[in-house]
Amino acid sequence: DAKTTQPPSMDCAEGRAANLPCNHSTISGNEYVYWYRQIHSQGPQYIIHGLKNNETNEMASLIITEDRKSSTLILPHATLRDTAVYYCIVRSDGNKLVFGAGTILRVKS
Amino acid sequence: DAGITQSPRYKITETGRQVTLMCHQTWSHSYMFWYRQDLGHGLRLIYYSAAADITDKGEVPDGYVVSRSKTENFPLTLESATRSQTSVYFCASSQSGGIEAFFGQGTRLTVV
Repeated sequence: DAKTTQPPSMDCAEGRAANLPCNHSTISGNEYVYWYRQIHSQGPQYIIHGLKNNETNEMASLIITEDRKSSTLILPHATLRDTAVYYCIVRSDGNKLVFGAGTILRVKS
Repeated sequence: DAGITQSPRYKITETGRQVTLMCHQTWSHSYMFWYRQDLGHGLRLIYYSAAADITDKGEVPDGYVVSRSKTENFPLTLESATRSQTSVYFCASSQSGGIEAFFGQGTRLTVV
């Protein structure tokens, strides 16, 4: 599976959009981009995933560049409860799910 | 109850003892995973399974044994526990490789 690079930490003001970047320059054509988050001491929670097209669900939006070498997770209106570690994972169908270091997002009032 | 459950939630064991962590899911998901998370660090994959009777090593398999005789269960055994295996262990399942994975609440294991 391709490696991902994320900033170690980010701050965001409550109510503003949080934009979390992820680089995956070695991604191959059959690999999906997944985003999970882990709130303190809890098990990771799935957020969203995509292959080529931008995706949106009730939690977030995922923007994937045309060359697929990077993506951005957008939380449109961050709240204090969105403070967590966010993981960007690249994975091909049927393969193992491997986590990196992730980005610590701190939402501040 | 539907979902994925881990047991026990907390366990203290002595060095050298064998201990088994249980993971049970009610969705009949084909994929199951075991991770460990040490204090202040990310999740590391220990073992995973694509289906009953199919298991494969992850990043840190040494010292651990898994089995998958039934789709819904994926026990993780520490054959001879060491202090370095003190960690929080998370189990997860997913319906297929391309679908979201669901995680259990974790088992906090302390080896003394």
